[in-house]
Amino acid sequence: EDQVTQSPEALRLQEGESSSLNCSYTVSGLRGLFWYRQDPGKGPEFLFTLYSAGEEKEKERLKATLTKKESFLHITAPKPEDSATYLCAVQAYTGGFKTIFGAGTRLFVKA
Amino acid sequence: DTAVSQTPKYLVTQMGNDKSIKCEQNLGHDTMYWYKQDSKKFLKIMFSYNNKELIINETVPNRFSPKSPDKAHLNLHINSLELGDSAVYFCASSQDRLASDTGELFFGEGSRLTVL
Repeated sequence: EDQVTQSPEALRLQEGESSSLNCSYTVSGLRGLFWYRQDPGKGPEFLFTLYSAGEEKEKERLKATLTKKESFLHITAPKPEDSATYLCAVQAYTGGFKTIFGAGTRLFVKA
Repeated sequence: DTAVSQTPKYLVTQMGNDKSIKCEQNLGHDTMYWYKQDSKKFLKIMFSYNNKELIINETVPNRFSPKSPDKAHLNLHINSLELGDSAVYFCASSQDRLASDTGELFFGEGSRLTVL
């Protein structure tokens, strides 16, 4: 069964304390792996798409990397405004293409 | 201008009632989706429409019926509401049928349904 698992469930950091979020997946026919950010009471907002192992994408303090079994979202010197839930998703082919989301990692950055 | 808008934002109703959630996108996208986010924050796809044609229909009770009058609108009607239907329902749209080029889904702000 296609599955996306994110860890940790929650992460508390001090401002400036770099860390990484993990997304592991088992999926047949992977087309792409995506990262989204979700703020409370809002819909998810797209961050990155990664298509192949070894690929990296960067945006401000965020960098996403991809291997054959997992992806990492590295947060360098986070600020309080980076506090949000980060969702990982994979697009798979299971008789039709669909996007499968993980449960997310809630990130809290304290000033 | 809001790209994907859904109404209502909050909905509180009794078990057994019928309710609808409306969604509109002004991005010119061909594909629209309904996702359900439960209390554990899992986002699960329910339906996908491309140009008014149903292309994804996950294992969802028949009480849920999507309707797409045109490619800019995708509404969700729920009959005989049950306690387990309480969740946040998100509408989304994408540029192409498979969202395969960028993977980017554009989400609305969600409609929080509470069934008492």
